[in-house]
Amino acid sequence: DTAVSQTPKYLVTQMGNDKSIKCEQNLGHDTMYWYKQDSKKFLKIMFSYNNKELIINETVPNRFSPKSPDKAHLNLHINSLELGDSAVYFCASSQQTHEQYFGPGTRLTVT
Amino acid sequence: GEDVEQSLFLSVREGDSSVINCTYTDSSSTYLYWYKQEPGAGLQLLTYIFSNMDMKQDQRLTVLLNKKDKHLSLRIADTQTGDSAIYFCAESIRGGADGLTFGKGTHLIIQP
Repeated sequence: DTAVSQTPKYLVTQMGNDKSIKCEQNLGHDTMYWYKQDSKKFLKIMFSYNNKELIINETVPNRFSPKSPDKAHLNLHINSLELGDSAVYFCASSQQTHEQYFGPGTRLTVT
Repeated sequence: GEDVEQSLFLSVREGDSSVINCTYTDSSSTYLYWYKQEPGAGLQLLTYIFSNMDMKQDQRLTVLLNKKDKHLSLRIADTQTGDSAIYFCAESIRGGADGLTFGKGTHLIIQP
């Protein structure tokens, strides 16, 4: 069984649209994360979240918002998509912030 | 500040040892990690070392930490073609609550 899963795997959409990426973990972890990997493979944290605290990287535009319906899910909602949002987005989870396990990634292409 | 540096490329012959180096700047790092990313795939946690350790060995992998110089290395013994991937060094700060800070990754190229 997949530990951290993301859907969709690929997402192609036009500028200005609103889209969501879903993430689910079945590891019983208490903390989840979203990372962005750009075309040069550089990875950067966007959000970390547990049921007590949401930490937002200050460089993330407020068009991006994490939504957690429950402890096992952390979805990423993006408003008014821009060309520069094209990237691979990775979800991860951990127990008490140690040993983060990553999902397979969602490749977002904005045209 | 947070900054993790790695060389972008490393080329080794199959069967040789690979040594991937990383430097970091934040002395408050608690854990340091090595992740592997194969083409088109996600990140696989290879190993990690706690900041009060000098060395950790796990089968073909050896991690060395020089905390004074803020230098971390990953040695892969008997490098195989399946080891071809991008290797990311990462540090966790504030216990990781702010997520991991990654280096830009080292592309390991295996020559036959």
